[in-house]
Amino acid sequence: GQSLEQPSEVTAVEGAIVQINCTYQTSGFYGLSWYQQHDGGAPTFLSYNALDGLEETGRFSSFLSRSDSYGYLLLQELQMKDSASYFCAVRAAGAGTALIFGKGTTLSVSS
Amino acid sequence: DGGITQSPKYLFRKEGQNVTLSCEQNLNHDAMYWYRQDPGQGLRLIYYSQIVNDFQKGDIAEGYSVSREKKESFPLTVTSAQKNPTAFYLCASTLGAGVGNEQFFGPGTRLTVL
Repeated sequence: GQSLEQPSEVTAVEGAIVQINCTYQTSGFYGLSWYQQHDGGAPTFLSYNALDGLEETGRFSSFLSRSDSYGYLLLQELQMKDSASYFCAVRAAGAGTALIFGKGTTLSVSS
Repeated sequence: DGGITQSPKYLFRKEGQNVTLSCEQNLNHDAMYWYRQDPGQGLRLIYYSQIVNDFQKGDIAEGYSVSREKKESFPLTVTSAQKNPTAFYLCASTLGAGVGNEQFFGPGTRLTVL
């Protein structure tokens, strides 16, 4: 089957750097995506990695190692507004472009 | 503005009742999806549709039904056969079948069974 594992909670202070890890098991890998969800809100797309390496988008970066079935989301210069849940996701096998999501990592940023 | 709308935002249902959750998009996206989210959990796939007049079951389709008669609309019916329907329901859409295509989500409907 398909599954994704990520830590349930991470805490950090403003200005710090935090890394959220994700390991996955899937058949037919098509890339790893990351989504952010503020409490009670809709998930929003952050990044997508299809190839090994680091993708940088502003304060957020995402890394993928296909040989290790592992990726991470790196958040730099943390701000209070970054407090949210972060989900990694892979394409669901045999389900078109639908995604399978991890259970999410709740990030709490304090001042 | 283009986007996905879901209604209602909050819905209360008595046990034994069927309810329909609305999902509309004006992004001209081909694919649409329904996910269920329980507290502290990830999103689980209920149904998806890659094209009009076609849809497929996801991992937790039992007790749910959908239709896709128009490209813009993908309503979800929660039937009385769904034993634990209280959850946050999210609708999403994607432009096409390209890998990595961003999924756009609606604001969600929070369903509570009384």
